[in-house]
Amino acid sequence: SYELTQPPSVSVSPGQTAGITCSGDTLRNKYASWYQQKPGQSPILVIYQDSKRPSGTPERFSGSNSGKTATLTISGTQAMDEAEYYCQAWDSSTADVLFGGGTKLAVL
Amino acid sequence: QLLLQASGPGLVKPSETLSLTCSVSGGSVSSTTSYWAWIRQPPGKGLEWIGSMYYAGTTYSNPSLESRVTMSVDTSRNRISMRLGSVAAADTAVYYCARHSAILGPPDWFDPWGQGTLVTVSS
Repeated sequence: SYELTQPPSVSVSPGQTAGITCSGDTLRNKYASWYQQKPGQSPILVIYQDSKRPSGTPERFSGSNSGKTATLTISGTQAMDEAEYYCQAWDSSTADVLFGGGTKLAVL
Repeated sequence: QLLLQASGPGLVKPSETLSLTCSVSGGSVSSTTSYWAWIRQPPGKGLEWIGSMYYAGTTYSNPSLESRVTMSVDTSRNRISMRLGSVAAADTAVYYCARHSAILGPPDWFDPWGQGTLVTVSS
């Protein structure tokens, strides 16, 4: 089981806004990161420190963290955004890495 | 551009030891703002962190794997290695190496990831 809970799947129409949540008590006072993984490929970082975008991540990707729930938002979702998304946090109190179980984003 | 490339045996027999190496180019494994991590993904499943190591020796490991994992950083060859002992079918997975960014001190996010290497445990 995973200590960070994500919905197994999210569907969105092209051009609409998609939101993927990541919940867990352990998120309190911790930064969340998000990764995109397409079939047969390695994950890539799309958001770090809750809301920062690495260079190369499109501006339509944004993130937030309310304490127990982190959210990845994709505005104006495109077909190319269809992928599995994972949240992740570093728990400094236990020196442990936490991953969510992953959310499959379908752009229909 | 930092690039990581994992390599391994492909097939390991049950009860044996899995050994993987990750070559790092475009940067140094001696970076003071980086840990070096191993993460795996069983076929069709999610991501599981194995462990992270700093070049000077500090190591963090997944408690569920800690007793079977050994990690090392080779600064002369600019590469990292991981050994997982007493493997079983449940250890079949794609194994990734990644930089575990420690810009703020403790390790936090993973970027970049190397291309994974599939390891199958079977007799």
